[in-house]
Amino acid sequence: DARVTQTPRHKVTEMGQEVTMRCQPILGHNTVFWYRQTMMQGLELLAYFRNRAPLDDSGMPKDRFSAEMPDATLATLKIQPSEPRDSAVYFCASGLAQGGSGANVLTFGAGSRLTVL
Amino acid sequence: AQSVTQLGSHVSVSEGALVLLRCNYSSSVPPYLFWYVQYPNQGLQLLLKYTSAATLVKGINGFEAEFKKSETSFHLTKPSAHMSDAAEYFCAVSRINNNDMRFGAGTRLTVKP
Repeated sequence: DARVTQTPRHKVTEMGQEVTMRCQPILGHNTVFWYRQTMMQGLELLAYFRNRAPLDDSGMPKDRFSAEMPDATLATLKIQPSEPRDSAVYFCASGLAQGGSGANVLTFGAGSRLTVL
Repeated sequence: AQSVTQLGSHVSVSEGALVLLRCNYSSSVPPYLFWYVQYPNQGLQLLLKYTSAATLVKGINGFEAEFKKSETSFHLTKPSAHMSDAAEYFCAVSRINNNDMRFGAGTRLTVKP
């Protein structure tokens, strides 16, 4: 059963520290999305990639967040420096975009719960 | 840009009663529409999707949704609620030739015995 793997599942850190979250998309998928979920804001799209190229990261605070795909099997989301308001659950999702007509159904990971003290 | 609005952040029904979760979309081009479900401490799972074929879409666990262009709606229904349906439900929209997917704020469904 193919799945999206996220690490760490839980992270508690102090304000100012660097946080890196990792995602292994499903093999063969060509799109990767990062979402942040909070009670107040719901699910926010932070960034997404197609064929490892960033297509849109307008939802991400640029001064402290960065997202990369060093290779097809790994996506990373980094926060430096972290702040208490970054506390949330971060989800990675992957999908297969098929040319111009396919619906991009996403498979989600279990999420990384981040707490910044 | 496309967006969805879910009416009602919390819906409560009795076991066996009809479930109706509302979603309205906004898109300048024909949309793809989705419903996802999230159980506690888990990621989102796809319930069903609309991709411009049949307007009535059947999904898993007895759920279905109907695309109504005139009303810009994609409401989710289930004839008879089960205790195991208690979860948070998200409506989402993306566009043909576009990859990004935008989610609504979610509706938490509670099922009373």
